[in-house]
Amino acid sequence: AQSVTQPDIHITVSEGASLELRCNYSYGATPYLFWYVQSPGQGLQLLLKYFSGDTLVQGIKGFEAEFKRSQSSFNLRKPSVHWSDAAEYFCAVGPEYGNKLVFGAGTILRVKS
Amino acid sequence: GAVVSQHPSWVICKSGTSVKIECRSLDFQATTMFWYRQFPKQSLMLMATSNEGSKATYEQGVEKDKFLINHASLTLSTLTVTSAHPEDSSFYICSATGGLYTDTQYFGPGTRLTVL
Repeated sequence: AQSVTQPDIHITVSEGASLELRCNYSYGATPYLFWYVQSPGQGLQLLLKYFSGDTLVQGIKGFEAEFKRSQSSFNLRKPSVHWSDAAEYFCAVGPEYGNKLVFGAGTILRVKS
Repeated sequence: GAVVSQHPSWVICKSGTSVKIECRSLDFQATTMFWYRQFPKQSLMLMATSNEGSKATYEQGVEKDKFLINHASLTLSTLTVTSAHPEDSSFYICSATGGLYTDTQYFGPGTRLTVL
């Protein structure tokens, strides 16, 4: 069965510091991988996605993620965090186009000034 | 593009009443819509998948008679919580795929349901 692990429940970083959120997945075939962000009381916004091709994908708001098949990982990074990045981040894996997603438990990002 | 709306954004109702939540794709035709439930400080739990014009497919453990889903058009799906009870209080989120956006789920802003 598919699964997604986000090992860090909470992460706190200083504004301007770099960020890396970890995501590991278990999936038998080529995964479709997503990162979403959720602000309190809001829905999920797509940050970026990976289907194939270049393993380093760029997303919105200055985020990027790298797919590493050998490590079954899809970590999210940002070189310089802004206070507005404080939110909860979810990694998700899907079987194919538009079908069910399996979500990780989420990582809450706190940004300190 | 790929904008999904939900209405209402929040609702409070009395125990025993029914509540309808709407999910609309505003700028694309959503052939498939998904309904999720999210408890505080938890991840999303998929409740059901609905395809336009077909019966919804419910996840194991989700009561189909309690959570009625209708996907009557390519832009609208509704979730009706029947005979709501306090334990049904939760944050309900829909997502949609279709048209130019078949490869990615785009989410609505969510609906906060509180049952008194």
